[in-house]
Amino acid sequence: EVQLVQSGAEVKKPGESLKISCKGSGYSFTNYWIGWVRHMPGKGLEWMGIIYPGNSDTRYSPSFQGQVTISGDKSISTAYLQWSSLKASDTAMYYCARMYDRGVTRLDYWGQGTLVTVSS
Amino acid sequence: DIQMTQSPSSLSASVGDRVTITCRASQSISSSLNWYQQKPGKAPKLLIYGASSLQSGVPSRFSGSGSGTHFTLTISSLQPEDFATYYCQQSYSMPYTFGQGTKLEIK
Repeated sequence: EVQLVQSGAEVKKPGESLKISCKGSGYSFTNYWIGWVRHMPGKGLEWMGIIYPGNSDTRYSPSFQGQVTISGDKSISTAYLQWSSLKASDTAMYYCARMYDRGVTRLDYWGQGTLVTVSS
Repeated sequence: DIQMTQSPSSLSASVGDRVTITCRASQSISSSLNWYQQKPGKAPKLLIYGASSLQSGVPSRFSGSGSGTHFTLTISSLQPEDFATYYCQQSYSMPYTFGQGTKLEIK
């Protein structure tokens, strides 16, 4: 069974750093892109970027380039999303998802989400 | 970036109704269009990919159509568990943008 399990909720102060994780199982982790999606309170879904764990190739949405870093460790089947200096506007639920790209590209399996709250 | 626009933004309907949600792309995306369902406090769930292919395990009352810039998601007979927010997403070119969502509520 394909599963993506994300790290737990975080409460941080503005200016702090943070790294959240997404661990895959039940499939060949290195052979599928992992994407990150932001869901701000009361807003729609936003595609942030993707990583190919097999070679760490990473692509970012222009809206998120320079704001976050996506990385991975294929040895432990885990992808990461990190911030060096959080802002209140980073408060959101963050989802990872497997990106199936044989034929039509789609996000077919999702993690349960990690809630990030940034408040002074 | 390709802009995705859904209509309506919200919709009230009754159990048993037939419902259609529209998604328009700012440029042609061929059939590279996916639909997701999201319930409160839950992760999105893939319903339809490639504009019209039903994801495994998704009930057949869900269907999708369209190509180019105009797409629709239809629920043939609404069930209580279908009340949720629906998003379209283009996977034609990065960034793979989402529509703003359509909230389907019980009338």
